[in-house]
Amino acid sequence: GESVGLHLPTLSVQEGDNSIINCAYSNSASDYFIWYKQESGKGPQFIIDIRSNMDKRQGQRVTVLLNKTVKHLSLQIAATQPGDSAVYFCAEVSSWGKLQFGAGTQVVVTP
Amino acid sequence: DVKVTQSSRYLVKRTGEKVFLECVQDMDHENMFWYRQDPGLGLRLIYFSYDVKMKEKGDIPEGYSVSREKKERFSLILESASTNQTSMYLCASSSTGTTDTQYFGPGTRLTVL
Repeated sequence: GESVGLHLPTLSVQEGDNSIINCAYSNSASDYFIWYKQESGKGPQFIIDIRSNMDKRQGQRVTVLLNKTVKHLSLQIAATQPGDSAVYFCAEVSSWGKLQFGAGTQVVVTP
Repeated sequence: DVKVTQSSRYLVKRTGEKVFLECVQDMDHENMFWYRQDPGLGLRLIYFSYDVKMKEKGDIPEGYSVSREKKERFSLILESASTNQTSMYLCASSSTGTTDTQYFGPGTRLTVL
């Protein structure tokens, strides 16, 4: 899951397994959340988003779950592939379109 | 597809030099952002702009300034580069509309010697 600190949390997943990446957010008033993927040497790429009036949203091989009661967000990746190896960030929209990012989770896919 | 481009992928400068980082987006987005990314600290907002000639300080504006003379272009300026400004700099843009999703450029890795 996400944490703030010098070392990025790492999730090691075997190819073909499902991945679950967790994120705790801070502002209970946030009404929009985004997951980004950042591959080495590249900028973050949008994966999926969810509004606070939903508790689940599905994309292609990805599902985001939102639990507002405990201010928790998760990203599930089905059938993880080598190309899914990256750092994953959750972001909450605070005031006026500004994003507050989590520290990120490194996902390593092993054969 | 949204495209955000940054003028350089890698840049090496000396302490005290004036540094310009350029960002261009092609989606007519109103909002543009500059972040720096450092290991263990995630993405931190330096400055943002929601319109031409408008700018707002982010969380860590000290040592930086910005310029937005045209809607598609947002420049980050380091007036006098210092070694603690060695970092990955990321530009992003978003539309004021149905979502606040920000789209990022590839980043500029700046090293200040």
